[in-house]
Amino acid sequence: AQTVTQSQPEMSVQEAETVTLSCTYDTSENNYYLFWYKQPPSRQMILVIRQEAYKQQNATENRFSVNFQKAAKSFSLKISDSQLGDTAMYFCAFLNRDDKIIFGKGTRLHILP
Amino acid sequence: DTGVSQDPRHKITKRGQNVTFRCDPISEHNRLYWYRQTLGQGPEFLTYFQNEAQLEKSRLLSDRFSAERPKGSFSTLEIQRTEQGDSAMYLCASSHLAGDTAQYFGPGTRLLVL
Repeated sequence: AQTVTQSQPEMSVQEAETVTLSCTYDTSENNYYLFWYKQPPSRQMILVIRQEAYKQQNATENRFSVNFQKAAKSFSLKISDSQLGDTAMYFCAFLNRDDKIIFGKGTRLHILP
Repeated sequence: DTGVSQDPRHKITKRGQNVTFRCDPISEHNRLYWYRQTLGQGPEFLTYFQNEAQLEKSRLLSDRFSAERPKGSFSTLEIQRTEQGDSAMYLCASSHLAGDTAQYFGPGTRLLVL
């Protein structure tokens, strides 16, 4: 079965610091997509960043970047210069060949002023 | 394009009642997904449509649940004879088959069954 594991249930960092959220996954597929979604307290799920497994280059979106290690099945999210508005639940997600997204249990991130 | 919308945003009902939720996907998106999210968990897949065809249903979707997408645009999710265990956030997402593979989520409908 395909699984996504986020080992950090909760994290807190000071504003302006850099934080890394961990994610590992398990699959026998070779081509797939990985995502990080953000769910602020208002509960709207927002796409943060995506990575295509066949691309070796790590995806970046402004202050957000990933470290994709395909062999290790690891997909961590780095948030640079963290801001108060980054406070949210962050979900790592895997899109399988059946177009179903499998989510991890999430990491609750608190950005402290 | 205003994104995926869901209605209602909140629903409180008594056990045994039927409820229906609506989802309007991003226009031109031909795929529509329903997920359920309980407190402290990630969303879990329930079912999805490509145009009007329901392609897959999760084992989580008991026979009390039914979903439709009659004209390939909006979708409805109905829960019959609600139980307290149905209390959750019901999320809808849409994507384009030939698009960027990402699924875009609506704000969800929070259901509380008393």
